[in-house]
Amino acid sequence: GNSVTQMEGPVTLSEEAFLTINCTYTATGYPSLFWYVQYPGEGLQLLLKATKADDKGSNKGFEATYRKETTSFHLEKGSVQVSDSAVYFCALRGRGGADGLTFGKGTHLIIQP
Amino acid sequence: NAGVTQTPKFQVLKTGQSMTLQCAQDMNHNSMYWYRQDPGMGLRLIYYSASEGTTDKGEVPNGYNVSRLNKREFSLRLESAAPSQTSVYFCASSVIVGYQETQYFGPGTRLLVL
Repeated sequence: GNSVTQMEGPVTLSEEAFLTINCTYTATGYPSLFWYVQYPGEGLQLLLKATKADDKGSNKGFEATYRKETTSFHLEKGSVQVSDSAVYFCALRGRGGADGLTFGKGTHLIIQP
Repeated sequence: NAGVTQTPKFQVLKTGQSMTLQCAQDMNHNSMYWYRQDPGMGLRLIYYSASEGTTDKGEVPNGYNVSRLNKREFSLRLESAAPSQTSVYFCASSVIVGYQETQYFGPGTRLLVL
């Protein structure tokens, strides 16, 4: 079956630091890949996505590249802000059928001023 | 557009009580989903509905039932609540265009079962 593994948190960084949150996946075929962000007390918001190999998703300064050879979709940002503090979820959706997303366990990111 | 709305926002139940969590979307999406979120577990799919009139089990369906009342509404029912069902419940809806799909999530319902 499908699975997503992401780095355990919490991850604590200083403002303006470089961010990487690792995500690797196991799936048959060519899944679509997503990063969702959850701010305290809120639901999940789509941050970015990629639907095929070598696609790069980007939004709000965050980027992630779909690497089929390493089955990875690492999230990066060049300079984080305090407002980026949240929980980040990597997720995938397999091809065919509306059978939901498979999520990683989430990475809690804390940015200190 | 309200997007995906959920009611109630918070609920406390006693073991054995029943309740229904409501979800509605105004984006004319065909597919709707119920997930639960537990600490250290990410989100896990309970049930989904690919279209009006159809429902299917997800990863953790035991103890739950669902109803796709119409295209807009998808409810989740706990017939006899158990402490293990204490969780945050998220409803989502999605539209698929070609191979591209995006799921939109509601704000969540926090459920505490004593």
